[in-house]
Amino acid sequence: EVQLVESGGGLVKPGGSLRLSCAASGFTFSNAWMSWVRQAPGKGLEWVGRIKSKTDGGTTDYAAPVKGRFTISRDDSKNTLYLQMNSLKTEDTAVYYCTTENSYGPKGPFFDIWGQGTMVTVSS
Amino acid sequence: DIQMTQSPSSLSASVGDRVTITCRASQSISSYLNWYQQKPGKAPKLLIYAASSLQSGVPSRFSGSGSGTDFTLTISSLQPEDFATYYCQQSYSTSMYTFGQGTKLEIK
Repeated sequence: EVQLVESGGGLVKPGGSLRLSCAASGFTFSNAWMSWVRQAPGKGLEWVGRIKSKTDGGTTDYAAPVKGRFTISRDDSKNTLYLQMNSLKTEDTAVYYCTTENSYGPKGPFFDIWGQGTMVTVSS
Repeated sequence: DIQMTQSPSSLSASVGDRVTITCRASQSISSYLNWYQQKPGKAPKLLIYAASSLQSGVPSRFSGSGSGTDFTLTISSLQPEDFATYYCQQSYSTSMYTFGQGTKLEIK
């Protein structure tokens, strides 16, 4: 079964740090481009950033609100994606989803596999 | 950044109705437009990719159209399980993806 399972969410004070994990199974994780998408309470979806597969360079891209504070990494030997979040702000409070970025030939990319999400609350 | 604007923001409809949701991009995105459905407390689900391609397993009552800046998601005959929030997303700018603000589809 294709699955993504996030973990690591919780309550953290402003200025603090947190690392989220996303465990993948049921597909070839090392070939996958992976993204993080977040959703603040009662709000819409916001793309956070992405890491390409190592064969495609392993490079990362980030949304402006998190650039310089968040770092995405991957451990293909463990089939796990990470999101290191530093200098957290109250506006980072959200459910964080990991998702696969896929294409069918020239059609795409799109997010087709999603985890269940993990809640991050930044509050004093 | 490419801005995505959905209309309406909310919509009331009845089972069996035909419903159309619109998504407009701030610049041309060709056909790099995806649609997702999200139910409360659940992760989003991919419905349509590349503006008009139906994701595997998604009922055929869902369809998408458009190119350039204007796109639509149509549900031909609403079913009870279709009441949810729908989001468009552009994948033209691969270094900065953006979503529309969402359209909440409610039961009339």
